[in-house]
Amino acid sequence: DAGVTQSPTHLIKTRGQHVTLRCSPISGHKSVSWYQQVLGQGPQFIFQYYEKEERGRGNFPDRFSARQFPNYSSELNVNALLLGDSALYLCASSLVGGRASYEQYFGPGTRLTVT
Amino acid sequence: DQQVKQNSPSLSVQEGRISILNCDYTNSMFDYFLWYKKYPAEGPTFLISISSIKDKNEDGRFTVFLNKSAKHLSLHIVPSQPGDSAVYFCAAMVDTGNQFYFGTGTSLTVIP
Repeated sequence: DAGVTQSPTHLIKTRGQHVTLRCSPISGHKSVSWYQQVLGQGPQFIFQYYEKEERGRGNFPDRFSARQFPNYSSELNVNALLLGDSALYLCASSLVGGRASYEQYFGPGTRLTVT
Repeated sequence: DQQVKQNSPSLSVQEGRISILNCDYTNSMFDYFLWYKKYPAEGPTFLISISSIKDKNEDGRFTVFLNKSAKHLSLHIVPSQPGDSAVYFCAAMVDTGNQFYFGTGTSLTVIP
């Protein structure tokens, strides 16, 4: 069975640009969470979506937005990119959201570099 | 504000010995604690979890201990194997929320 897939693998953008990252969850999983991992740090929670609704949001500015599609895939959008947005962006899927989502399965991530 | 902390960035252990990875937290509202393992170029992999109502959970070579009074969590790997070499993240969540808080990770090296 395919695991969580993310695209693209790597991305280089310029300050002020916009970026869209994509994630496909494991088949049958209805919840997707997004994390930002800066070098040397642990993953920082950005969003959780379950059944196409936002169920959780971390401490990130409004430049960050996301959505979940009817097939449960998800997009993370970041506007007006800053140098500090350079990081590995991880997507994780789980069967359900909330408390029962603790068994999350992560994708390999998208490495975003902002120059 | 780092609510979950892993104060040891790295740990080296001989093959066959015990590996002990530690994690401290500050939020007494955390209900679930998890350990993830991460290999280079891969996403973290769920390893083992424990509910706050328990003090121990065991799964094969992996055991997680929870000391709520000390707000301390540890992962024991016995016996350690070279394939266990990876970065280990401790994470926690509040039952009523959907947000996971991760530590900064401990890089474990098991020496053959």
